[in-house]
Amino acid sequence: DAGVIQSPRHEVTEMGQEVTLRCKPISGHNSLFWYRQTMMRGLELLIYFNNNVPIDDSGMPEDRFSAKMPNASFSTLKIQPSEPRDSAVYFCASSLGQGRNQPQHFGDGTRLSIL
Amino acid sequence: EDQVTQSPEALRLQEGESSSLNCSYTVSGLRGLFWYRQDPGKGPEFLFTLYSAGEEKEKERLKATLTKKESFLHITAPKPEDSATYLCAVQDGGATNKLIFGTGTLLAVQP
Repeated sequence: DAGVIQSPRHEVTEMGQEVTLRCKPISGHNSLFWYRQTMMRGLELLIYFNNNVPIDDSGMPEDRFSAKMPNASFSTLKIQPSEPRDSAVYFCASSLGQGRNQPQHFGDGTRLSIL
Repeated sequence: EDQVTQSPEALRLQEGESSSLNCSYTVSGLRGLFWYRQDPGKGPEFLFTLYSAGEEKEKERLKATLTKKESFLHITAPKPEDSATYLCAVQDGGATNKLIFGTGTLLAVQP
């Protein structure tokens, strides 16, 4: 079975450029989560969607960050303009919706470096 | 505010040397506690969910236990392939599916 698929796996770009990260959740999962992982702060939830609707974006650090989920099989996280402090590994995860304690399944992440 | 603290930050074991990792949590109405394993360059891989105090789950050399304040991940006779970062996360009693993660324990098992 295909897991959560993220692209690109690595992204290196210059400060000020727009960055778009992509995620395809597991088929049939209707909750999708975007996380950021750094050495200092660990895994932090940025935003999550249920049935393609954003439910909680309180973790989005600034207006420079935005996320969309146009359909059940695709989501994007966009940073515009990017800054060096945005460098981190960004993970997407999906789960079976509001069911009790459904585990989240993670992709292998996008390692983002902003120069 | 929900909080998860894992200890130790790093642990080095000899192959076959059993030990335990700790996850202490503060949460309003625990709905579930999750253990994940993360290998370098990979996303976290789901291991266990524990729902209530007293519950235990096992998988190969790993056993997870839960009390009202903490969870332990016991590793029996570890092998080098058990080397990874182990992450603990909690889900509170609210209406959302949010997980709050600890910062993990980096386990190294030497042959």
